[in-house]
Amino acid sequence: SAVISQKPSRDICQRGTSLTIQCQVDSQVTMMFWYRQQPGQSLTLIATANQGSEATYESGFVIDKFPISRPNLTFSTLTVSNMSPEDSSIYLCSVAHRENTEAFFGQGTRLTVV
Amino acid sequence: AQSVSQHNHHVILSEAASLELGCNYSYGGTVNLFWYVQYPGQHLQLLLKYFSGDPLVKGIKGFEAEFIKSKFSFNLRKPSVQWSDTAEYFCAVSTGGFKTIFGAGTRLFVKA
Repeated sequence: SAVISQKPSRDICQRGTSLTIQCQVDSQVTMMFWYRQQPGQSLTLIATANQGSEATYESGFVIDKFPISRPNLTFSTLTVSNMSPEDSSIYLCSVAHRENTEAFFGQGTRLTVV
Repeated sequence: AQSVSQHNHHVILSEAASLELGCNYSYGGTVNLFWYVQYPGQHLQLLLKYFSGDPLVKGIKGFEAEFIKSKFSFNLRKPSVQWSDTAEYFCAVSTGGFKTIFGAGTRLFVKA
C-alpha cells in the first residue's frame, strides 16, 4: 500500500493565477500520476510523472498548462497555470508500485477558480 | 481507444436490498479490472480486483464482482447493502502498463 498526502486540500483562486499542488508518498514508488475529476464526471488522466525526465501527457493536456515536476521517487508537483473557471475540479495524485497493479490515491485537491 | 461504461449514475436502495452495478469496457486484449470506492470525504480506495483465474472475485465488505469475458463486463454485486455502503463506486480497467481508465462512477445512496 501507500499513504499519499496532497497539499493543499482545497483552494479558491483568482482567474489568471497559477496553483501548485504537492504530492508526497510515504515510500518510493515507480509511477506517479495526476488525474482530474470534474464535477459529475469520472477521473481523467492528465499525465504520468516520470522521475528524472519530462512528464508524459495525455491527449488534451499540455505541459504549458499543467507543468509537472518529479524530483525523486516520493514527491511530485502539478501546477495549474493561468487558471480559468473551467479548471475548477478535483485534482488527484495517484501512485502504482508495479505494472498492472492497483493504484493508490491521495485525498485530492479541490480547486475553485473564480 | 479503451473506455469504461458504468450503466447507472445514481442508485438509491433501502438497507438490506441487493445491489448490482453494471460495468462494461471496450478493449479486445488482456485486461485487469478494478472496482474502487470513494466514501464521503475520503480518498478513493480499492474494493476488489481481477487479474486472472476465477472470474468471480470477492472483495472487502461483502462485495463481489464477476468478470464475463464474452460480454466485456465486470459487474459489482452485494447481496444486502448497508447504510454505510453509501459512496461513489468506480469501475476501472488497466490494459497493460501502469495506465488505468476509469468509468464515470455510480453514486449509491442507501436509505436507513
